[in-house]
Amino acid sequence: GQNIDQPTEMTATEGAIVQINCTYQTSGFNGLFWYQQHAGEAPTFLSYNVLDGLEEKGRFSSFLSRSKGYSYLLLKELQMKDSASYLCAVPPSGGYNKLIFGAGTRLAVHP
Amino acid sequence: GAVVSQHPSRVICKSGTSVKIECRSLDFQATTMFWYRQFPKKSLMLMATSNEGSKATYEQGVEKDKFLINHASLTLSTLTVTSAHPEDSSFYICSARVEGGYTFGSGTRLTVV
Repeated sequence: GQNIDQPTEMTATEGAIVQINCTYQTSGFNGLFWYQQHAGEAPTFLSYNVLDGLEEKGRFSSFLSRSKGYSYLLLKELQMKDSASYLCAVPPSGGYNKLIFGAGTRLAVHP
Repeated sequence: GAVVSQHPSRVICKSGTSVKIECRSLDFQATTMFWYRQFPKKSLMLMATSNEGSKATYEQGVEKDKFLINHASLTLSTLTVTSAHPEDSSFYICSARVEGGYTFGSGTRLTVV
């Protein structure tokens, strides 16, 4: 089985930096995804990490440590539009197939 | 990029009726489609995996007879919520594997009254 843990809610100030953590437990590992989802909309892809380390993509970066079963999403220069849910997701062991999501972290950005 | 078109975006139905939700892959062939449901302020819960030309694979706890899935062609998968009840009201969303990850439909907001 798998277990994916994220904080339920976070708040931050416009212009600041926020780090959203995700820990996971899987019997195998096929990479880890981060998605952003605004209420009532489809998730949008942010990042995919399969190797250890930090991957930077504009204001968003994602980090992975496979030995620790840990990832984080780093959002810089926060904007009001970044208020959304951030979902950590992993394909379960046995194949790069269905995607299992964590509970998601609701981020509220305040002026 | 690969696009999945999902319809309807919103539907309101009476208790006891059935509702069909369609997902079409517009510019690629999807041999597999994933169906999720999402309750307010919750994450996406995988319901089932539809496979073109064969039976769907349901996740534990999902009623097969209530949530009928059909994947008759490489570009169309449907989810039918049968004998809907108010507790079936939710956001349903489909997804397909594509190169580099997954693509999602825009979701269907189902309200059963």
